[in-house]
Order: sequence, then structure tokens, then C-alpha cells
Amino acid sequence: DAKTTQPNSMESNEEEPVHLPCNHSTISGTDYIHWYRQLPSQGPEYVIHGLTSNVNNRMASLAIAEDRKSSTLILHRATLRDAAVYYCILNDQAGTALIFGKGTTLSVSS
Amino acid sequence: NAGVMQNPRHLVRRRGQEARLRCSPMKGHSHVYWYRQLPEEGLKFMVYLQKENIIDESGMPKERFSAEFPKEGPSILRIQQVVRGDSAAYFCASSLSPGANVLTFGAGSRLTVL
Repeated sequence: DAKTTQPNSMESNEEEPVHLPCNHSTISGTDYIHWYRQLPSQGPEYVIHGLTSNVNNRMASLAIAEDRKSSTLILHRATLRDAAVYYCILNDQAGTALIFGKGTTLSVSS
Repeated sequence: NAGVMQNPRHLVRRRGQEARLRCSPMKGHSHVYWYRQLPEEGLKFMVYLQKENIIDESGMPKERFSAEFPKEGPSILRIQQVVRGDSAAYFCASSLSPGANVLTFGAGSRLTVL
């Protein structure tokens, strides 16, 4: 499976934008980029996913580099509720399960 | 839509007993995934099932653990002869289509082995 590299932790202030990076230099042409997050004591939650083009939804935006070797999850205005572990995962959606890494622990201060 | 339902939410067992964790997927979802999260660690994939079939069990321990997803009823993760190292949160997820397109997770079942 292609691997992803994320910073262990990041800090943000409330109501500021947050850019969470993910490197995936060995991504294959059929790999989708998925982002999930896990709030404390809860199950993971789907955030967003994409293949080549940038994606937007009500939760976040996903910016994918032109060569697809990196991507950035953008939270436009962080809130205290966004404090969580964010996971960047590659999956070719060909019948295999998502494999979670260590993710980035995001702290949000008021 | 009730989402993915897991029960029990908390389960306490003594060493040597059996633990059964149940997962009802979202309505219309026929693909179920089980993950384990040990204290202070990340999520580890265990098994991927479709109705009546095990698709991928590469993350399942070789002994004492089994999973099923019958034609009717919830998916069951069964742990026989539990040991203290089995204490963890067990998360179930479901998806509408194969290949983990978008997973919806349950709130988890927290197993404590005394």
C-alpha cells in the first residue's frame, strides 16, 4: 500500500484557517486521497476525499498537488470542536479496507 | 437513519471469558469493517466482511478472534478466552459500495478485561 506522511501535531487558534499537510510521493494513479478525523473518545468521522481535482464540502476543502504527491486539508475557520486526530489515507477503492496511520493531532486554542 | 449501531458500548469481562461485539451497519450498507484501537494507539484494521463472506481478514489475530456477517442480523466480532491485552476500543464501520469508498463508523465498543 502507498504510504502517507503527516506531521505528528499541529496547533491552531480558534477562527483561524488550518492547513493540514500530507505527503504521498508513492501514490498510484488509481489511489484516492481520503481524510478522516477522530475526536476524543469517538469513532472516526469521514471528512473528504478526492482523486485529482480540488474538492470542497461543508466541512473542509481538499487541495491536491498537480503531481498528486501531496495534498492539504483546509479547515477554513477552526473551532474548538475541530480538535481531533486527522488521518490522511490512500485507497484504490478496489475492495481493500482503509489503513489508518498515526495521523496529525490538531489542537485548537481559544 | 440511525447510523452504524454498536453494542454493547462498554463490556467488562474476566480473563478466559468470551466477548461478543455487535455491529448493525447503516441501512442499505452491505460492507462492514472492524478496527481495534488499543489505549494511546492508532486504529488497526482487523477484518472486512460482506454479507455472508469474509473479504479480507489480514488484520485478525490468528487465534481466539472470529467475525461473521450473516444474511440476517448484525455483524458479530467474537473474542474467545479474552486476555488483558484484548482491552481496547473496537470500532465497526460500514460502506455502501466495496473498496471503502466512504466509511461510516460507529461509536465503538470498549472492552475491559479484568
